[in-house]
Amino acid sequence: GQQLNQSPQSMFIQEGEDVSMNCTSSSIFNTWLWYKQDPGEGPVLLIALYKAGELTSNGRLTAQFGITRKDSFLNISASIPSDVGIYFCAGSTSGTYKYIFGTGTRLKVLA
Amino acid sequence: DVKVTQSSRYLVKRTGEKVFLECVQDMDHENMFWYRQDPGLGLRLIYFSYDVKMKEKGDIPEGYSVSREKKERFSLILESASTNQTSMYLCASSSIRTRNQPQHFGDGTRLSIL
Repeated sequence: GQQLNQSPQSMFIQEGEDVSMNCTSSSIFNTWLWYKQDPGEGPVLLIALYKAGELTSNGRLTAQFGITRKDSFLNISASIPSDVGIYFCAGSTSGTYKYIFGTGTRLKVLA
Repeated sequence: DVKVTQSSRYLVKRTGEKVFLECVQDMDHENMFWYRQDPGLGLRLIYFSYDVKMKEKGDIPEGYSVSREKKERFSLILESASTNQTSMYLCASSSIRTRNQPQHFGDGTRLSIL
């Protein structure tokens, strides 16, 4: 099955720094989702995006639906140690049940 | 909040055994899913169900079957477990009544086949 290209694969950052990651696809999507997965846990939905250009925030997290509809971006401001985990993007072309998932960005925060 | 509960967090089985993984959701969601998660491969869809007794194959259904006898419960069955089925298994659910049906996940079952 198709996978999304998620970048970077992993990153180490200092506490307090801002973080950016992105997801790209060869297909046009009409929905983008961002999840976080803590070690040993299941993914938790952070943000859902429904139209091109949309910018949505959830606390220190901000996600954007790319104008081309083939990409999405997630930013974390002023990172803290509990931001550690794997961040996944997911996209849907049809707005129905089927989502395609990225391979994840593993974030490690150095105190 | 949506609650998706997987019956076991960790499971160890032997090659050739029949293995059952159970998932229950409490939000009356129509759709339920089983994925496996492997390093570098992301989440791969095994099976999907959109209603009681209805199922569709995902991307990697070989070696697996599913059962949905009640709306809230979706079971994944490994007919004859093999070592290459050692993985993290994630169950998810979604509602057709929610815009674009985002999926909500359980905490996963880490299955080891010896």
